[in-house]
Amino acid sequence: GESVGLHLPTLSVQEGDNSIINCAYSNSASDYFIWYKQESGKGPQFIIDIRSNMDKRQGQRVTVLLNKTVKHLSLQIAATQPGDSAVYFCAENGGSNYKLTFGKGTLLTVNP
Amino acid sequence: DSGVTQTPKHLITATGQRVTLRCSPRSGDLSVYWYQQSLDQGLQFLIQYYNGEERAKGNILERFSAQQFPDLHSELNLSSLELGDSALYFCASSPRTSGDSYNEQFFGPGTRLTVL
Repeated sequence: GESVGLHLPTLSVQEGDNSIINCAYSNSASDYFIWYKQESGKGPQFIIDIRSNMDKRQGQRVTVLLNKTVKHLSLQIAATQPGDSAVYFCAENGGSNYKLTFGKGTLLTVNP
Repeated sequence: DSGVTQTPKHLITATGQRVTLRCSPRSGDLSVYWYQQSLDQGLQFLIQYYNGEERAKGNILERFSAQQFPDLHSELNLSSLELGDSALYFCASSPRTSGDSYNEQFFGPGTRLTVL
């Protein structure tokens, strides 16, 4: 069945370090993957997405890597800042145009 | 600010009661999605509406229903509430048509429902 899971539920980093958040997915039909950031008391905020025909996509301070061979997705945050502290979710569409399946989330804590 | 609004922000009610959550999508977005976020289940897709019509159902209980109105705002109705219905309920909207696989969804701030 469909599942999206995270390898690490919590990640603590020092300010200025790079962060890597990992995600495993199981639905081979997924052709669209997204990372969301959720701060306390707020809704998920879109960070970056990637289609299955790509293996890497870069944004501002963030990079998403997709490895379809092992069904693995990662989010890299460069020069992590205190404002990056949040829960990060990966999500996949399972090949559908309506449903996103979310992982459980990784709590990123940035220490000053 | 995503442009998606939800009201109320907080809702406290008793078991057996019925509540209505409201969502206004981003201007121009035709699709509205409802999600439930609980500590043990994470973010779960409930239902999608596109231009007033129901398009997809996820893990939505029969006690729950939704609709999308001509002005594109949506309401999620939760009835015969149980303690386990306590959760954050998020609405998201998308500019894409129902036939497009691309699925960028913008989330509202959520409604926190507490059932006592």
